[in-house]
Amino acid sequence: DSGVTQTPKHLITATGQRVTLRCSPRSGDLSVYWYQQSLDQGLQFLIQYYNGEERAKGNILERFSAQQFPDLHSELNLSSLELGDSALYFCASSATGLAGPFNEQYFGPGTRLTVT
Amino acid sequence: DQQVKQNSPSLSVQEGRISILNCDYTNSMFDYFLWYKKYPAEGPTFLISISSIKDKNEDGRFTVFLNKSAKHLSLHIVPSQPGDSAVYFCAASYSNDYKLSFGAGTTVTVRA
Repeated sequence: DSGVTQTPKHLITATGQRVTLRCSPRSGDLSVYWYQQSLDQGLQFLIQYYNGEERAKGNILERFSAQQFPDLHSELNLSSLELGDSALYFCASSATGLAGPFNEQYFGPGTRLTVT
Repeated sequence: DQQVKQNSPSLSVQEGRISILNCDYTNSMFDYFLWYKKYPAEGPTFLISISSIKDKNEDGRFTVFLNKSAKHLSLHIVPSQPGDSAVYFCAASYSNDYKLSFGAGTTVTVRA
């Protein structure tokens, strides 16, 4: 158990809908990262928050947004969903905001989103 | 643009033998490399890392080798055990950056 929790585990919704994925980081971690893993592909970095503020953006679509709340949990909002958005969405957390030794990212179990 | 590549999607090895997983990268600014292991229905788990100032890092049965001139790293698992059957992801980052760039993963199957 990494200490990172994600809800829900599974989500099935229709095209055009909006969903919210939730992540609680490990106790004491200030940074939260969101990744998308499509079928047979590696994890693609979407966005990072550090202590409530957006720190870095990756290949995140304009239809997607995220935020980190004062209690450090984070939500990823996906809107106007398309079939291609079906994927595993992982949240990770780390102690500080920079990648590097002693600041490894710990991943949650993921949310599997299926858009029909 | 895939900056981290794992060209072998799968690897099958007999229990007790060595597993060698390979990873290539294109961004010469990368200076920190990690391997993650992932079981089905779970998130990736950090396994081992190496900084670019080293060419080898060992942790129990797991050893990572880094060849900076070739922009190549490998993970050796000796001896391989059935519990090692999983997907292994190579990841890389550079100093003062935030994100990890991941390879597509290699599925390892350890045969009894």
